[in-house]
Amino acid sequence: EAQVTQNPRYLITVTGKKLTVTCSQNMNHEYMSWYRQDPGLGLRQIYYSMNVEVTDKGDVPEGYKVSRKEKRNFPLILESPSPNQTSLYFCASSLIAATGGGHEQYFGPGTRLTVT
Amino acid sequence: QKEVEQDPGPLSVPEGAIVSLNCTYSNSAFQYFMWYRQYSRKGPELLMYTYSSGNKEDGRFTAQVDKSSKYISLFIRDSQPSDSATYLCAMIDVYKLSFGAGTTVTVRA
Repeated sequence: EAQVTQNPRYLITVTGKKLTVTCSQNMNHEYMSWYRQDPGLGLRQIYYSMNVEVTDKGDVPEGYKVSRKEKRNFPLILESPSPNQTSLYFCASSLIAATGGGHEQYFGPGTRLTVT
Repeated sequence: QKEVEQDPGPLSVPEGAIVSLNCTYSNSAFQYFMWYRQYSRKGPELLMYTYSSGNKEDGRFTAQVDKSSKYISLFIRDSQPSDSATYLCAMIDVYKLSFGAGTTVTVRA
């Protein structure tokens, strides 16, 4: 089954404790990205990756890191989480826009993160 | 100012009504215009997309894009309770995606 998986689905942590949210896709997509969703603000792009070892900042990259060492995986790293990073996080993947596929993003189930 | 503006609603309509949703945008470089539907506790799913100005129809759903006015719309005809969800407009500029805030729609049986 074609899918994007995220782990963990729920996470409660404390300020300053480094954490990683994993994302994996099995569709051989070049493009992967991370979003956070907050009430009234909608989905905001954190980072995206056009292919292995190629990443770029989205609209709200501060406090986050990413890496793309394999095509299927795109982990999101919070080195020193703060309460303002409490949010619902989504990973997504797609073909790249240059080949006509960027419009169809496949989203994972979401990770609800609470930082106290 | 946000690149994409969408009225967050919420919108409540009786079953069978026409639902009208819209977004405005400021970036002329946007190429694709999409509508995603998100059910509670789920990730968004692509509903429709358009590439150019004009209308696109898919069953009960019609998407409209007016690039000259930087305005896109989604119409849902004969709305059903199963259409109750949050609808997000989205636009893509090569690699970077921008989403509207989402409009929550409830269709009352």
